[in-house]
Amino acid sequence: GENVEQHPSTLSVQEGDSAVIKCTYSDSASNYFPWYKQELGKRPQLIIDIRSNVGEKKDQRIAVTLNKTAKHFSLHITETQPEDSAVYFCAAPRDSGNTPLVFGKGTRLSVIA
Amino acid sequence: KAGVTQTPRYLIKTRGQQVTLSCSPISGHRSVSWYQQTPGQGLQFLFEYFSETQRNKGNFPGRFSGRQFSNSRSEMNVSTLELGDSALYLCASRGGPTTDTQYFGPGTRLTVL
Repeated sequence: GENVEQHPSTLSVQEGDSAVIKCTYSDSASNYFPWYKQELGKRPQLIIDIRSNVGEKKDQRIAVTLNKTAKHFSLHITETQPEDSAVYFCAAPRDSGNTPLVFGKGTRLSVIA
Repeated sequence: KAGVTQTPRYLIKTRGQQVTLSCSPISGHRSVSWYQQTPGQGLQFLFEYFSETQRNKGNFPGRFSGRQFSNSRSEMNVSTLELGDSALYLCASRGGPTTDTQYFGPGTRLTVL
């Protein structure tokens, strides 16, 4: 089964700076990698995802990169704003194929105004 | 479309009691997964149902069970509650077993005293 490790566990950045969160996975057959944002007291919300047939995907200030050889993927947030403060989770399918997700432990991002 | 809904939102129970939580997926979604979220363990997969059948199961004791109805609504039950069962229980729906994108409900916050 899949194992997902996420770093760092906490991250503080100044408003306007960039933030990078990294995850590694163990199953080379994994083909789908979502990122979720969870604000305090709210549900995890999908913010971006990437499939194994591409190396990078962008959506405004958010981007995700995937390195299949090294089995890691990263979330990049540029021009951070206070509303980006939340816990971010990466995930990968538990087994190869379309199965439930295994989540990283989360990164608590604080954007300091 | 309406999002994933969960009821109740908050529950307080005492040790030894049992509890039933409910989840209604997004209209048209047939797959429902349940996760337990705690500060120490993060998001852990409980089980997944598709077309009233359990497709996958996580590493939780038999006190945790679930079912799915013909309208895709799902319930999970926890019997003989323990203090360690206090957590946020999240359900997530997706279109089907070959659809990878999952959407979470707001969760049920269970407190066991």
